[in-house]
Order: sequence, then structure tokens, then C-alpha cells
Amino acid sequence: NAGVMQNPRHLVRRRGQEARLRCSPMKGHSHVYWYRQLPEEGLKFMVYLQKENIIDESGMPKERFSAEFPKEGPSILRIQQVVRGDSAAYFCASSPPHQETQYFGPGTRLLVL
Amino acid sequence: GENVEQHPSTLSVQEGDSAVIKCTYSDSASNYFPWYKQELGKGPQLIIDIRSNVGEKKDQRIAVTLNKTAKHFSLHITETQPEDSAVYFCAASMGTNAGKSTFGDGTTLTVKP
Repeated sequence: NAGVMQNPRHLVRRRGQEARLRCSPMKGHSHVYWYRQLPEEGLKFMVYLQKENIIDESGMPKERFSAEFPKEGPSILRIQQVVRGDSAAYFCASSPPHQETQYFGPGTRLLVL
Repeated sequence: GENVEQHPSTLSVQEGDSAVIKCTYSDSASNYFPWYKQELGKGPQLIIDIRSNVGEKKDQRIAVTLNKTAKHFSLHITETQPEDSAVYFCAASMGTNAGKSTFGDGTTLTVKP
């Protein structure tokens, strides 16, 4: 059973461009979580999604950030008009229904020039 | 919301010694406490977890203790080895389908050969 997949692993964008981060959960997992990690800091929750539904987006900045988890395909975290402060590692985790344990992907490291 | 504090931020031990990392949480509704190990350039990997109905859990050289009254939990690593060197994160959540985990800021453990 493959683990959580994220791509790209590294992404470089110039200020003002859009960044799209993809996450494919483990097989059988219908819950996806996105976290952001700044250098030498812990992981900060951004959003929790189930298939076709956003359950909790309390950690997501109100502007420029959006997330989706469609019926088919990976979950997407989209950052519009990126700024240098968006540079961070973005991790996706998934869990099966009715279980607490979250399994993390390898992350996407976003660098905004 | 939940707040998790983790200490120490850095820990250096000699190979074979024990290492202890401590975390406190603020929300008494939290009932699931995982610990993650993160190696450089990788995603967090679950190493052990504990639920609030259990006071202690052990898996080979790793153990976790939980004091619900005091709202703190600790990770104990015995007979440390150089490959234990990594960043360790504690987290707290409200369990099944509750969504987000709140993470501590991490402890950088260095095991000297």
C-alpha cells in the first residue's frame, strides 16, 4: 500500500504567480489534512477535507488560499498571487474514516522568489 | 483553541543514554496524543501514540506516558542510537474525525556516538 503522495516535492514561484500543490491520500483514506511548516517550527493546521467537502478551514488564510478534495483525483491546495511569506513546507496527511491516526506525505517545499 | 507546548527545544545525549521530551496541552477535551519523528527533508512519521484512557504505552525502546489531570504527556527513548537523531513532535487532537492536530514546536534530538 503506497503511502501519502505529494507533488511536486519542490516548487519555485515568483511573487504574484500561482502555486498548486497536490496530495494523493493512502488507499482507503477519505480524510485529508493540510499543514504548513515554517523553518524550525512545528506544523500548523490549515484545512481538513473529506471527499467533496471542506470540514474545517479554520487555519487557512482568508485570502489567496483555497483547497479542494474532489470525488476523483488528488486533493489540491492552491495559493494565488504568492508572496515571499508563503515560502514553507506544505504537508498533507490522510486518515481512514473513524480513525484518529494521520499519515503524512513527504511534503512540498515552496520557495517564492 | 488547543495549545501544545513542548520542551526542550534541543536535546543532546550520548549513545546508550535515555532521552525524555515533555509536552503540555491546554484543552481537556483532547484525547489523542501522537508523537512524530521527522528526519531532514522528510515528512513526519508516527512513532507512537496514546489515547486518554491509557496512562502509559510502550513499544520496544520507546514509551509514552500521559497525565490527564496535569495535562501533560512525555516521550521516553531508552538506549538511544545515532539513528534516533531527528526532530520529534508531539501533538494533541480530539480524536476520531475531529480533524486537526495541534503540534508542539519540536525537539531536535542529537545522539552522539
